Amino acid sequence: AQSVTQLGSHVSVSEGALVLLRCNYSSSVPPYLFWYVQYPNQGLQLLLKYTSAATLVKGINGFEAEFKKSETSFHLTKPSAHMSDAAEYFCAVSDTGGGADGLTFGKGTHLIIQP
Amino acid sequence: DTEVTQTPKHLVMGMTNKKSLKCEQHMGHRAMYWYKQKAKKPPELMFVYSYEKLSINESVPSRFSPECPNSSLLNLHLHALQPEDSALYLCASSQSRTGENTIYFGEGSWLTVV
Repeated sequence: AQSVTQLGSHVSVSEGALVLLRCNYSSSVPPYLFWYVQYPNQGLQLLLKYTSAATLVKGINGFEAEFKKSETSFHLTKPSAHMSDAAEYFCAVSDTGGGADGLTFGKGTHLIIQP
Repeated sequence: DTEVTQTPKHLVMGMTNKKSLKCEQHMGHRAMYWYKQKAKKPPELMFVYSYEKLSINESVPSRFSPECPNSSLLNLHLHALQPEDSALYLCASSQSRTGENTIYFGEGSWLTVV
């Protein structure tokens, strides 16, 4: 079964600093990978996704992620953090076998932005 | 328009009540999902409908009963729930079940069982 592991349940950065949220996947075949953001008391919003078209994926709100097969990683970055980025971030993987049953999520990383 | 609409936003029900959560999308998506999310946890998949046919998740108790009246609507019928069922229930949809398709989530329905 495919899975993702998010390293760090909480990440704290200063406003204007680099944001780096880590995600490693476990899959015997190249997976489809997603990053979602969840603001307090809201649903999940897609930031970006990897579907093998390009290893560097650009998303909304200035976020991007790079797929590295050699490291089985799909880390999320943003050059300069903004206070509005404070939220819960989920990495997720989807089955490539055609019988997809939704997404399997990592445990999430709570991003804290220090003023 | 990439919107999944869920009603009600908040629901409080007793353990003997029968209630329903409703979900609607008008994106022409043929796969729809129910997820359950407890506080500070990731969403957990409950049910998947693909072309209005149900894929059953064996671990979901029978007190949760999904229904897909048509390709745009998804309901979750609730009966004899337990306090531990209190959670955020998220509806989602995607173009199909194929893994590369983006899954779009609604804002969720907050359920409290008393």
